[in-house]
Amino acid sequence: GQQVMQIPQYQHVQEGEDFTTYCNSSTTLSNIQWYKQRPGGHPVFLIQLVKSGEVKKQKRLTFQFGEAKKNSSLHITATQTTDVGTYFCAGRDTGTASKLTFGTGTRLQVTL
Amino acid sequence: DTAVSQTPKYLVTQMGNDKSIKCEQNLGHDTMYWYKQDSKKFLKIMFSYNNKELIINETVPNRFSPKSPDKAHLNLHINSLELGDSAVYFCASSQLQYNSPLHFGNGTRLTVT
Repeated sequence: GQQVMQIPQYQHVQEGEDFTTYCNSSTTLSNIQWYKQRPGGHPVFLIQLVKSGEVKKQKRLTFQFGEAKKNSSLHITATQTTDVGTYFCAGRDTGTASKLTFGTGTRLQVTL
Repeated sequence: DTAVSQTPKYLVTQMGNDKSIKCEQNLGHDTMYWYKQDSKKFLKIMFSYNNKELIINETVPNRFSPKSPDKAHLNLHINSLELGDSAVYFCASSQLQYNSPLHFGNGTRLTVT
């Protein structure tokens, strides 16, 4: 079945440093979504990418969808302590559009 | 408040018991889901219903039985609970369209002792 892996599993940065998480799917995706889960909280939708090579920005967050629609990345510029949490990518493959498979997640810790 | 709400928030029970978790959404969505998040934070889909019909049924023990009385409710009943069932269970809802984001409930932390 479809597998979606993220690296790194965990990253600890100092406030002000940049952070990137990478997402790789075993199958071609129709679209990819990103979610953030704060400690003790629930996943919250951040953004969706649909087109091959698409890049979207939300303030300090930059999201990219690969040309082959099998990988994606999330880059945070100048991290802040409010960025702490686990970031998940989630993709629907082209064959089973109703099923959203979540990546393994990257936990981000930010310290002063 | 518009939201996905699930109850209870915490559930502590002994092995062998039967328990239920309830979920309701008032977002007008036609699709609801149950996801299981284990201690390593992996989020795995268990079931999905669209307008009361089961559309996704992953490899889940048949001790787990979802029930959707209407499109705004999706409950999860678990029989003969086992230690390995301990996890956080999230309910979510969305429209069925392929580009629709999921809205999650706050989760139910199930601890089986």
